[in-house]
Amino acid sequence: DIQMTQSPSTLSASVGDRVTITCRASQSISSWLAWYQQKPGKAPKLLIYKASSLESGVPSRFSGSGSGTEFTLTISSLQPDDFATYYCQQYNSLWTFGQGTKVEIK
Amino acid sequence: EVQLVESGGGLVQPGGSLRLSCAASAFTFSNYAMTWVRQAPGKGLEWVSAISGSGGSTYYADSVKGRFTISRDNSKNTLHMQMNSLRVEDTAVYYCAKDSRVGATGYYLDYWGQGTQVTVSS
Repeated sequence: DIQMTQSPSTLSASVGDRVTITCRASQSISSWLAWYQQKPGKAPKLLIYKASSLESGVPSRFSGSGSGTEFTLTISSLQPDDFATYYCQQYNSLWTFGQGTKVEIK
Repeated sequence: EVQLVESGGGLVQPGGSLRLSCAASAFTFSNYAMTWVRQAPGKGLEWVSAISGSGGSTYYADSVKGRFTISRDNSKNTLHMQMNSLRVEDTAVYYCAKDSRVGATGYYLDYWGQGTQVTVSS
């Protein structure tokens, strides 16, 4: 089974900050990686697919990069609506989620 | 607009059964694989099960294999999951989600339902 490890688990940041979240796979997953945003009590929302492709309607301040085993999600300028938990997910072999990164207000 | 609406959750005793449903609309249901993902209280997302568009292929996480059965009724645009021998650790919000790619299984999930709560407790 492919394991996904995100870091950090919690991130404290201010509005306007540049934020980077890392996701590592236990084996190569090529670019078969998605990122989701989840707010409390809500379903996850797709942000990025195929490691770096922005889902339609998602603000351009979100970007993804990486391939193989190491990936990053970057928010170029954190907005109030971005305080949430973010999950990576591999879909190279079935599906596995990372444990999540909570972005909280500093 | 694509809609996925889950139902069937509730409180059940350990060892009991529940059947979850997910009603889909605004897309050609039979063209897409569907997935169940769960989230235990205060925890992250866990993939549970998936089924191909035709229903001919099914996939399960080890944690539910042999206890849960995924199925679909393409004539009614509905996804199901029969959950037997429920355990306390199955307590979670269960989401149904749509695979993104026509005719394939195992891609990213582009639409999610709002979730249904399953609580296993005596």
